[in-house]
Amino acid sequence: AQKITQTQPGMFVQEKEAVTLDCTYDTSDPSYGLFWYKQPSSGEMIFLIYQGSYDQQNATEGRYSLNFQKARKSANLVISASQLGDSAMYFCAMREGGNNRLAFGKGNQVVVIP
Amino acid sequence: NAGVTQTPKFQVLKTGQSMTLQCAQDMNHEYMSWYRQDPGMGLRLIHYSVGAGITDQGEVPNGYNVSRSTTEDFPLRLLSAAPSQTSVYFCATHSFGVFFDEQYFGPGTRLTVT
Repeated sequence: AQKITQTQPGMFVQEKEAVTLDCTYDTSDPSYGLFWYKQPSSGEMIFLIYQGSYDQQNATEGRYSLNFQKARKSANLVISASQLGDSAMYFCAMREGGNNRLAFGKGNQVVVIP
Repeated sequence: NAGVTQTPKFQVLKTGQSMTLQCAQDMNHEYMSWYRQDPGMGLRLIHYSVGAGITDQGEVPNGYNVSRSTTEDFPLRLLSAAPSQTSVYFCATHSFGVFFDEQYFGPGTRLTVT
């Protein structure tokens, strides 16, 4: 069964606007971590932000924030003030406390237009 | 520190040939893993290791072998390449037991099997 779901089609975003990328997950483990990675066209995987299942507050890292809704099992990434360099594929991933393996969603493609 | 290195960056094989993808890390991480990335599929776990001498299968292990004789190295072997193994391969590491530690990725190997 798929543990991480990212279903949005490719998105076009105007420069300087905010964009929200949806991610829902499925786990019965009370201890887990959620990660977002960025993959630009050059291909490398860049870590953006982390949210732990026991964290009380939503994670933020610069222009990235994570809208964590535990009861809904969603961990949406918000990118504020989009820049041209934000054009990339974005992956949501989860690590469950029981096994330490990272499971990825299929990704969201974002294109920022000037 | 080099972080996580992978060689080669690109490789073309003929069906039935064998080869080894190399992965090395200098971060002293216990946990190492191999993923493959195919269009529209996200990253899927092939094999992983929680320390020297210990390996286990991930989601898509068929056609691949691994071994871990040192902390630093985790090679991935294709015994008899098939066109279905055309993909981008990523090696990744993190500290075992540090739940919030991000997974560090190598730059990837793009493999084409004809």
